Amino acid sequence: RKEVEQDPGPFNVPEGATVAFNCTYSNSASQSFFWYRQDCRKEPKLLMSVYSSGNEDGRFTAQLNRASQYISLLIRDSKLSDSATYLCVVNTGTGGFKTIFGAGTRLFVKA
Amino acid sequence: DVKVTQSSRYLVKRTGEKVFLECVQDMDHENMFWYRQDPGLGLRLIYFSYDVKMKEKGDIPEGYSVSREKKERFSLILESASTNQTSMYLCAVSREMNTEAFFGQGTRLTVV
Repeated sequence: RKEVEQDPGPFNVPEGATVAFNCTYSNSASQSFFWYRQDCRKEPKLLMSVYSSGNEDGRFTAQLNRASQYISLLIRDSKLSDSATYLCVVNTGTGGFKTIFGAGTRLFVKA
Repeated sequence: DVKVTQSSRYLVKRTGEKVFLECVQDMDHENMFWYRQDPGLGLRLIYFSYDVKMKEKGDIPEGYSVSREKKERFSLILESASTNQTSMYLCAVSREMNTEAFFGQGTRLTVV
């Protein structure tokens, strides 16, 4: 079983739609969680951190459910510019830690 | 932001060659990572390091080694390149577990 699993998609949505991605992780000792965005032929960049209390940044909301070991990302009012791959990221370990990426979920927003 | 520089954007090497991929950061961050990214598989962790001369295996270390002699530099070594190591290689740097990881622009390696 992969340490971090995501639905690869693709998700094809119209502009203005609301879309949600989920991600599950296998290590219950994981300690920090993030969503990254990766544009085609570019390096990944941080979209937002994920906290147990939830985290909202404009149209983006991230949630963490430790009991069920999943992370979610909700995008409201989708824009064409939201088209990208969204990567779920989990950090695990003490001292030296591992940063593990999911394989990513591809989103296409269409006019 | 941390600036992460990878030595080459594109490399073509022959099977059996020894290949060095270099990654340099401009901050004093302890944690550095090497990933490879392949279609459908996402980013897979090869090795990581949390201090000078410290290294830990990631999920796919076979066929690779690393070196961290100075804090700012983390090298990935392919002892004898093979065609199945053709991939995009990404280096990342972070200060601590709860902070952002910054990536280099990647090295696209082709082994022929």
